Amino acid sequence: AQSVAQPEDQVNVAEGNPLTVKCTYSVSGNPYLFWYVQYPNRGLQFLLKYITGDNLVKGSYGFEAEFNKSQTSFHLKKPSALVSDSALYFCAVRDFAPSGTYKYIFGTGTRLKVLA
Amino acid sequence: DAGVTQSPTHLIKTRGQQVTLRCSPKSGHDTVSWYQQALGQGPQFIFQYYEEEERQRGNFPDRFSGHQYPNYSSELNVNALLLGDSALYLCASTRRVLSYNEQFFGPGTRLTVL
Repeated sequence: AQSVAQPEDQVNVAEGNPLTVKCTYSVSGNPYLFWYVQYPNRGLQFLLKYITGDNLVKGSYGFEAEFNKSQTSFHLKKPSALVSDSALYFCAVRDFAPSGTYKYIFGTGTRLKVLA
Repeated sequence: DAGVTQSPTHLIKTRGQQVTLRCSPKSGHDTVSWYQQALGQGPQFIFQYYEEEERQRGNFPDRFSGHQYPNYSSELNVNALLLGDSALYLCASTRRVLSYNEQFFGPGTRLTVL
């Protein structure tokens, strides 16, 4: 079964410093990986995805993610954190059914706190 | 271009009651999925609708049912509510279930069961 793991419940980083939010995956076949962000009392906002191609994926709001097949990781990164980046971040993998339909399997989430 | 919309925003029910949540997909999208997000957890897949049929279902009891209309909007129905059904219910839409497009999520409906 497909799964993703987010090993850190919370990450604290000072404003202006680089940030990393970790995600590891376990899939059979090629992984389709996603990062979403959730602000309080809001739904999920898409940040970026890896389907195929370059291992470094650039997304919204200056975020990027590095796909590492050997380490089965898909860490979210940003060179310089903003206080407004403080939110809940979810890693997800697309799980395909034999019929070709799919669902998303989400990690447990990592709360990012950027300190001014 | 309106994104995914959900109604109502908040809902309070008592145990044993029934509830209906509604979702309108993003313009141009024809596939709707529903997720349950309990407090402190990641979203869990409930089911997915495409061409007015349930195409895939997660590990949820039959008390959870749904419907998709010809205009692609969708409803999630939960019968015989339990305290454990209290959660944020998220609707997500995409264009064509077999595509590689990402899902776009609505703001959710917060259901509280007392």
